[in-house]
Amino acid sequence: DTAVSQTPKYLVTQMGNDKSIKCEQNLGHDTMYWYKQDSKKFLKIMFSYNNKELIINETVPNRFSPKSPDKAHLNLHINSLELGDSAVYFCASSLDVSSGNTIYFGEGSWLTVV
Amino acid sequence: GENVEQHPSTLSVQEGDSAVIKCTYSDSASNYFPWYKQELGKRPQLIIDIRSNVGEKKDQRIAVTLNKTAKHFSLHITETQPEDSAVYFCAASRRGGSYIPTFGRGTSLIVHP
Repeated sequence: DTAVSQTPKYLVTQMGNDKSIKCEQNLGHDTMYWYKQDSKKFLKIMFSYNNKELIINETVPNRFSPKSPDKAHLNLHINSLELGDSAVYFCASSLDVSSGNTIYFGEGSWLTVV
Repeated sequence: GENVEQHPSTLSVQEGDSAVIKCTYSDSASNYFPWYKQELGKRPQLIIDIRSNVGEKKDQRIAVTLNKTAKHFSLHITETQPEDSAVYFCAASRRGGSYIPTFGRGTSLIVHP
């Protein structure tokens, strides 16, 4: 009965490869997010979707492409992986985009690029 | 856009002491201030939040205070325990429109037994 689930949990890959991380939420929320957490623990918003529509696209290289087939899923595809992409990627969701909604995070996907 | 500053970046206390983490925000329209706790290797989870119409909120050993005039809010943990050791993030979001919460850079709290 996991609320926000993402796979894989661990991913080790070589530079230049393409990889995807999948995310699903069963909370019935309208809004989903991708956050990147680097080694200094800073939580940086990458993308936000509301009802499958992109609403936030921070300054992220266009090698990162999110896809939301429906409002319960938000997948992240990364092309031509670089060493600097190594981080923990958290998928999250909230009821909607109104202020005051709790953000529910997935367990994180640990990406290591070698 | 909103800017949230969080201090200190690291806080080390003895078990039983109190811990205080402070955050300031820049957008006077912000009206919701949550705090998230992230244990080592785990996901961030909401522990307490406060809205701009109140000045203080308590939940057992944790409390949050808000000073709207000065645009700062603080997390207070009393009688700290080793299991309080974690990274704590403050955040701020504003009323109206599509506004994603802005997170502080986090405070690593270490409680020594």
